Amino acid sequence: SQQGEEDPQALSIQEGENATMNCSYKTSINNLQWYRQNSGRGLVHLILIRSNEREKHSGRLRVTLDTSKKSSSLLITASRAADTASYFCATVIQGAQKLVFGQGTRLTINP
Amino acid sequence: EAQVTQNPRYLITVTGKKLTVTCSQNMNHEYMSWYRQDPGLGLRQIYYSMNVEVTDKGDVPEGYKVSRKEKRNFPLILESPSPNQTSLYFCASSFWEGANIQYFGAGTRLSVL
Repeated sequence: SQQGEEDPQALSIQEGENATMNCSYKTSINNLQWYRQNSGRGLVHLILIRSNEREKHSGRLRVTLDTSKKSSSLLITASRAADTASYFCATVIQGAQKLVFGQGTRLTINP
Repeated sequence: EAQVTQNPRYLITVTGKKLTVTCSQNMNHEYMSWYRQDPGLGLRQIYYSMNVEVTDKGDVPEGYKVSRKEKRNFPLILESPSPNQTSLYFCASSFWEGANIQYFGAGTRLSVL
């Protein structure tokens, strides 16, 4: 299986609710990043958290990192219809020169 | 405006007909990369380049070629396309190395008949 795996694969919630997505990985990392992809378009970087950080915030986004469990979560608070997209975690493995992407979580915000 | 530009955005071709997908970035990034995205498989790296004249294989390089003659350009070449290369392709770039934030192009949807 891949280095980064998101859970759930799909999530559907009502507008205004919070959305939580999880990412697990297998090997030690330098940092972990979250990206958003609107249908069929290029990925857009959301947030980067380094291996020595535990939590990071950016607007309505909150990312946590637990290196002991090799997992991360992305929380989107007060969701909006415009948040409908696929969300990917990507890890930078120690000693490697690339990002390794998970398969993504498809988030649908219902009005 | 800082951007990564891919062309063409859509391409339908036939098996064996050589094609090139261009990628250009205007951010003076050293690192550039090509990915393909397929349903259920996520994004997989095809090739990457750390700088001019320096390229290396990613996870799925078979059937593809790249070149990096100029810092801003990183074309993807399919010498003899096959139907299993039908996919959505993305070019990305970043400063210094792949560990940094990557900026993606809008994608090229390729169909090989």
